[in-house]
Amino acid sequence: GAVVSQHPSWVICKSGTSVKIECRSLDFQATTMFWYRQFPKQSLMLMATSNEGSKATYEQGVEKDKFLINHASLTLSTLTVTSAHPEDSSFYICSALGQGALGNQPQHFGDGTRLSIL
Amino acid sequence: KQEVTQIPAALSVPEGENLVLNCSFTDSAIYNLQWFRQDPGKGLTSLLLIQSSQREQTSGRLNASLDKSSGRSTLYIAASQPGDSATYLCAVLNFGNEKLTFGTGTRLTIIP
Repeated sequence: GAVVSQHPSWVICKSGTSVKIECRSLDFQATTMFWYRQFPKQSLMLMATSNEGSKATYEQGVEKDKFLINHASLTLSTLTVTSAHPEDSSFYICSALGQGALGNQPQHFGDGTRLSIL
Repeated sequence: KQEVTQIPAALSVPEGENLVLNCSFTDSAIYNLQWFRQDPGKGLTSLLLIQSSQREQTSGRLNASLDKSSGRSTLYIAASQPGDSATYLCAVLNFGNEKLTFGTGTRLTIIP
């Protein structure tokens, strides 16, 4: 089946550091990738949608200058949390959607990245 | 705006029992509905995907149904095992965009 690799799985860093998270589709080309954020015991909240070669579309309330998304190729999207602060600590999950008819295929999710800002 | 609700929020059942998880959504204009499993600290594993034109999907001990007109889906787990313990999330793909709206999840515990 389709595999999405997310790296790193866990990051602990000091306040003010910028952190980059990678999301790769390993065995398929992902025209669209999604970035989600999940707080403890809560569901996933969509942060942004990225399409290869174009600017990401951010959900309402998500700061685009804070969460930089780059989708440079059909197999890689990155999320950079700039100047991270403790309130940015969360579980970040990416998903990828392959090429094909909309609605006929599932999104494939990475294993998530736990970000802890001290 | 689509809203997805899952009841109950938590469920504990003895091993071997059959169980049903519920999912309801407010806007029936959907492409499909997916059920996911999430283990603590992990990402999501897709279990079943039901197209809007379908009524149910089966995979092993899992059976998911969809009643789009009433905005409901159920996930039936037969002969539950301790390894089934996880949080189960349903999500709908909204018609008109590619965005998934997730439910609040049901945390399932199977008691050995």
